[in-house]
Amino acid sequence: GNSVTQMEGPVTLSEEAFLTINCTYTATGYPSLFWYVQYPGEGLQLLLKATKADDKGSNKGFEATYRKETTSFHLEKGSVQVSDSAVYFCASKMDTGRRALTFGSGTRLQVQP
Amino acid sequence: EAGVVQSPRYKIIEKKQPVAFWCNPISGHNTLYWYLQNLGQGPELLIRYENEEAVDDSQLPKDRFSAERLKGVDSTLKIQPAELGDSAVYLCASSSDSGMGNTIYFGEGSWLTVV
Repeated sequence: GNSVTQMEGPVTLSEEAFLTINCTYTATGYPSLFWYVQYPGEGLQLLLKATKADDKGSNKGFEATYRKETTSFHLEKGSVQVSDSAVYFCASKMDTGRRALTFGSGTRLQVQP
Repeated sequence: EAGVVQSPRYKIIEKKQPVAFWCNPISGHNTLYWYLQNLGQGPELLIRYENEEAVDDSQLPKDRFSAERLKGVDSTLKIQPAELGDSAVYLCASSSDSGMGNTIYFGEGSWLTVV
C-alpha cells in the first residue's frame, strides 16, 4: 500500500537558519504530494503541493521538489522565523484506490529567537 | 468563503457514552472525508464520501462508529459507546472532487476526551 515517511522531530533551529524536513513515499504509481502545516491550536492548512515528477511547490518561502528517482519530497526554507514553529505533515494522494491523503507522522519545528 | 466547519470543538465524555460530531464542508464540495488524528501522529482516513455515498469506509470501526451524509452536504460522525482509546482529534475535510491533485481543505477538528 501507499505510505509516507518523514523525519522525526522535534527539529529545533535558531531564527534565520536553513530548514530541511525529509519526506519519502512509497506508492504503486505516481501520487500527488503535499505538505500541510498545523499551527498550535489550529487545523491543518495546505502549505504547498506538486502533482508530477520534477514539479516544485512553493509558498511562504517554503519549497519542495517532487523527485521520482528518490521518491522524495523534502521541505526546505532558506531562513526560518519564529512564526514558522508548527507541526509539518507530508502527504501523498493517488488518483486510484483510496483517493485520500496518506500522511506521515508529522515533524514538529521549533524556531528560537 | 467559509471553510470547513466542525462542531463541537471540544468534548469530554465518560466512557460508554455516545458522542456525535458534525461537519459542514465548503460549499460545492462533493467529496467529504473524516480523519482520526491521535496525539503525535498523522491523520488517518476513517471514511470518504462522494456526495451522499460512502465510497471508502474500510477503516471505519463499524462496531461502534457510524457516519452519514444524507443530503450530500453536511455529515455526522457518531461513536457509541465511546472507549478510552477513542480520545483523539476528529478531522473533517472536503474537496471539490477526489481528483489526484485537488486540494483537500480541513476543518479545525473536534477534540474528544473520553474519561
